Amino acid sequence: EDQVTQSPEALRLQEGESSSLNCSYTVSGLRGLFWYRQDPGKGPEFLFTLYSAGEEKEKERLKATLTKKESFLHITAPKPEDSATYLCAVPITGNQFYFGTGTSLTVIP
Amino acid sequence: DTGVSQDPRHKITKRGQNVTFRCDPISEHNRLYWYRQTLGQGPEFLTYFQNEAQLEKSRLLSDRFSAERPKGSFSTLEIQRTEQGDSAMYLCASSLDTNTEAFFGQGTRLTVV
Repeated sequence: EDQVTQSPEALRLQEGESSSLNCSYTVSGLRGLFWYRQDPGKGPEFLFTLYSAGEEKEKERLKATLTKKESFLHITAPKPEDSATYLCAVPITGNQFYFGTGTSLTVIP
Repeated sequence: DTGVSQDPRHKITKRGQNVTFRCDPISEHNRLYWYRQTLGQGPEFLTYFQNEAQLEKSRLLSDRFSAERPKGSFSTLEIQRTEQGDSAMYLCASSLDTNTEAFFGQGTRLTVV
């Protein structure tokens, strides 16, 4: 069964304390893995798309990587404004995106 | 183009009433999606349009839900005879192609009382 699991559910970091979020997936024939950021009460904001194992994408303090079984979102020297829920998603049958439940990140000044 | 637009942002309705939400996608995107999100969960797929054709519907989409996309432009999602379990954030997204990133609107928060 296709599945996406994110860990941890919640993460509290001190400002400047680097860490990684995990998204593991069991999807046959991966056709992309997508990372989104979601602020409370708002829609998800697109961050990255990764299509093949070994691929990496970077944006400011964020770096996403992909293996055959999981993806990591590395956050380097986070700031309080990085606090949000980070979601990963994979396309499954047809045009449905299957989302994980997200990691809620809090960065403390 | 300022992105995907949804209206209204918030809707409070009494149980049993009908509600309709509107989504205006990014203009050059021919793919449009509706998702539902409840607290602490990721968005759940409801339905998908390519141009004006509704090509996929989730089994989550009961007979009380109907979506349209006339002329392949904006889309509406109607919920008839609302129930308290319908309370959620309804998200619309659009994309340019299959398996490419979808861009989301700010959502419509529905509260059924």
